[in-house]
Amino acid sequence: DGGITQSPKYLFRKEGQNVTLSCEQNLNHDAMYWYRQDPGQGLRLIYYSQIVNDFQKGDIAEGYSVSREKKESFPLTVTSAQKNPTAFYLCASSMAGPSNQPQHFGDGTRLSIL
Amino acid sequence: GQQLNQSPQSMFIQEGEDVSMNCTSSSIFNTWLWYKQDPGEGPVLLIALYKAGELTSNGRLTAQFGITRKDSFLNISASIPSDVGIYFCAGSPYSGAGSYQLTFGKGTKLSVIP
Repeated sequence: DGGITQSPKYLFRKEGQNVTLSCEQNLNHDAMYWYRQDPGQGLRLIYYSQIVNDFQKGDIAEGYSVSREKKESFPLTVTSAQKNPTAFYLCASSMAGPSNQPQHFGDGTRLSIL
Repeated sequence: GQQLNQSPQSMFIQEGEDVSMNCTSSSIFNTWLWYKQDPGEGPVLLIALYKAGELTSNGRLTAQFGITRKDSFLNISASIPSDVGIYFCAGSPYSGAGSYQLTFGKGTKLSVIP
C-alpha cells in the first residue's frame, strides 16, 4: 500500500542529545513537510522540501535540521538547541505544483524528554 | 503570518445530531482543506475545496468554501460514535507565485454521547 511511514512511534531524548525522526513515503510525491503539534494547538510547520537536495525553513525551524538526499526520505533531527522538544511530530507529503495540493500525513512520532 | 480561527474549540453532542464548525482567516485563501485526527494518529484528509462558493460532500460530511474566500464550514449530519476526534481546517493563502505552506486552525474536538 502507498503511504507515509514515520518511525519510531515513540522516542525519548536525553538532555544535550540530538535525535533523528524518520519519514519515508512511497507515494512518489515531490514535496515533503515536517510539523510540530502541541496539545490544543494546530500544526506548526518546521521545514519543507519541494525537491531533492532543497528545503526551506517553516515558522519554527530553530533547533531543528533536515536533509533531503532521496525523494522518498525526509528525516528530521531535533538538536540539543531545541529547548522544548516534547511534542507530537508529523510528516506529510504532497504532489508538487501550485499550492492547492492536499498534504497527506504519516501517523506521527511522539518525542519526550528523559 | 497567516491566522486561522476555528470554532468551536470543543463540542459535546448526542448521537444522531448534526454538527457544524467553521474557520475564518485574516486574509484570502485559495484552498481550504478539512482533516480529522484520531488520538495518537496523523490527520486524515476529509474534503478539499478549491473554488469560492464550492460545496463538496463526502458521505455525511459537507464542506463549503466561503464566497469571501476568508471562511469555510464543515457540517456532519446524523453523527455516530466514530465521528469522535479532532477536526482541523487548513488553508493555503492566495499567492500568484504559489506556496507550499498550509496554515492550520487549532482544531474542534468532537465528542459524541451515545
